[in-house]
Amino acid sequence: EVQLVESGGGLAQPGGSLRLSCAASGFTFSSYWMHWVRQGPGKGLVWVSRISRDGGTTNYADSVKGRFTLSRDNAKNTLYLQINGLRVEDTAVYYCVAFYYDSSGRYNHDYWGQGTLVSVSS
Amino acid sequence: QAVVTQEPSLTVSPGGTVTLTCGSSTGAVTSGHYPYWFQQKPGQAPRTLIYDTDNKKSWTPARFSGSLLGGKAALTLSGAQPEDEAEYYCLLSYSGTSVFGGGTKVTVL
Repeated sequence: EVQLVESGGGLAQPGGSLRLSCAASGFTFSSYWMHWVRQGPGKGLVWVSRISRDGGTTNYADSVKGRFTLSRDNAKNTLYLQINGLRVEDTAVYYCVAFYYDSSGRYNHDYWGQGTLVSVSS
Repeated sequence: QAVVTQEPSLTVSPGGTVTLTCGSSTGAVTSGHYPYWFQQKPGQAPRTLIYDTDNKKSWTPARFSGSLLGGKAALTLSGAQPEDEAEYYCLLSYSGTSVFGGGTKVTVL
């Protein structure tokens, strides 16, 4: 069974840091591009970041660039999102998403986790 | 960073047809933006309905279809069912980054 289990969310103060983790199982983690997508309370989806299969390429939304760092450990089947300089507007459910592209680079399928809630408040 | 726009809300009668659109602040949406459409119901994670403009997932009902229409990506629902009431999000790709639209709340009434 495919599972993406996010953890590391919780209550944090503005200016603080958190590290989110996403543990993958049931599929070949190292074959997937991994993304984080967040959703503020009552708000829409926001694409946050992505990382290539080998971790060599990362991309970020402008709103998080310089504060968020995405990494992965393929040996541990785990994705990490280091969040520094937390802002109130970072409050959201953070979803871990796995995207699989075929050998020609075309999308094939994706998996979503259930999300972890990050609340930023003083 | 680009801004992706969707209608905030649309209402469709049961059995009726509605078209959701997805525009880009950078200009016309093309197949090169690899438009995706996601459906999200309350309390659930999103799930993919359409990818690469017009390709359906195995679970996507035949009444949903994707296209490019007037410089935008479009999701058409033909023969709306009560279970189609949900939030719909488009996602466009831009040279390494991706941007979601603000979502369209579809009410079947």
